[in-house]
Amino acid sequence: DQQVKQNSPSLSVQEGRISILNCDYTNSMFDYFLWYKKYPAEGPTFLISISSIKDKNEDGRFTVFLNKSAKHLSLHIVPSQPGDSAVYFCAATRYGNKLVFGAGTILRVKS
Amino acid sequence: GAVVSQHPSRVICKSGTSVKIECRSLDFQATTMFWYRQFPKQSLMLMATSNEGSKATYEQGVEKDKFLINHASLTLSTLTVTSAHPEDSSFYICSARILHRDRMANEQFFGPGTRLTVL
Repeated sequence: DQQVKQNSPSLSVQEGRISILNCDYTNSMFDYFLWYKKYPAEGPTFLISISSIKDKNEDGRFTVFLNKSAKHLSLHIVPSQPGDSAVYFCAATRYGNKLVFGAGTILRVKS
Repeated sequence: GAVVSQHPSRVICKSGTSVKIECRSLDFQATTMFWYRQFPKQSLMLMATSNEGSKATYEQGVEKDKFLINHASLTLSTLTVTSAHPEDSSFYICSARILHRDRMANEQFFGPGTRLTVL
């Protein structure tokens, strides 16, 4: 049972434009959501997170939006840069317990 | 920021041998560490949750006698793959959790991973 889904395996965006990565979840008990960025053969790097009591969190070029009624969150990267090319994982947790990861989305930013 | 290290970064071993992977939180204390496994082009799969001073909690389908986890201190957890076989070849990643006062506001910081190849 995939509780966290990233339905787009890959996304290609032109440098300077907006990248939007989407994530859906099924477990309404999740109360904290995170986005990680991962390069091949490296561990994931924490990007940004959001608590279920908020609907938006912004950090520089990265903004995460949470729609609890739709059980959907998205990561916006503006403007996109070639160095943003990586695999992006969304993850969810309940009460700070184990993270449940989505399958990841490969982002390619073309210069 | 919080730094987690893993050692070794890469290991090649013969079938039947045991391999130990270390995970250290360098600048913080981690009461909980997690061990993940990632197959090519797939997501991270949680193997077990390791709490300092107690037995690890394994996810369904993960053999605890095969993957021995020890969390002897607040900065070190080890994963030992016993009697390794080629199917154990994978990318193993650990993470350590910083627990904030607000329990909802916690994050896991990941190590760089260990590539295990069993011949």
